[in-house]
Amino acid sequence: AQSVTQPDIHITVSEGASLELRCNYSYGATPYLFWYVQSPGQGLQLLLKYFSGDTLVQGIKGFEAEFKRSQSSFNLRKPSVHWSDAAEYFCALYSGGSYIPTFGRGTSLIVHP
Amino acid sequence: DGGITQSPKYLFRKEGQNVTLSCEQNLNHDAMYWYRQDPGQGLRLIYYSQIVNDFQKGDIAEGYSVSREKKESFPLTVTSAQKNPTAFYLCASSGAGALNYGYTFGSGTRLTVV
Repeated sequence: AQSVTQPDIHITVSEGASLELRCNYSYGATPYLFWYVQSPGQGLQLLLKYFSGDTLVQGIKGFEAEFKRSQSSFNLRKPSVHWSDAAEYFCALYSGGSYIPTFGRGTSLIVHP
Repeated sequence: DGGITQSPKYLFRKEGQNVTLSCEQNLNHDAMYWYRQDPGQGLRLIYYSQIVNDFQKGDIAEGYSVSREKKESFPLTVTSAQKNPTAFYLCASSGAGALNYGYTFGSGTRLTVV
């Protein structure tokens, strides 16, 4: 069975600092991996996705993520965080043939001015 | 613009009452989903539907019911059998095929028992 782990429940960064949110997965084959962002009281918005090919994928809002098969990771990064990036971030995995993703529990990002 | 519309944004339910949450999409997506979100518990799948007139139970279907009479609509009824319905409910949709993996979410309905 597949699983997704987001080890950090909360992350606090200062505005302008760099950001890395961790996502580890367990799956026997190459997964499809996604990152979503949820602002307070809102639905989730797709930030980026990885299917195959280049291991560094670019997304919206200046985010990127790197797929590392050897580490079973798909960490989300941003070089300079803005106060508006404060939100909940979810990593998700699709296994081949299933329409239903496995979501991580989410990481809450707090941005200090 | 295409998207998913959930209504109402806030809903209050009295004990023993059934309530229905609306979810409509104009993305021409085949699949639709309902999730429940509680603090610290992430997203839990209630029901999903991949085609009209067909739907499957998710991980926490007890106390909920759905219908899929039209491609665009996937309403969720929270019945009186759901003992702890206070939560944030999210509807999502997706297209067919692996390259369309990835959800489009609505903005959610917050249900509170009063």
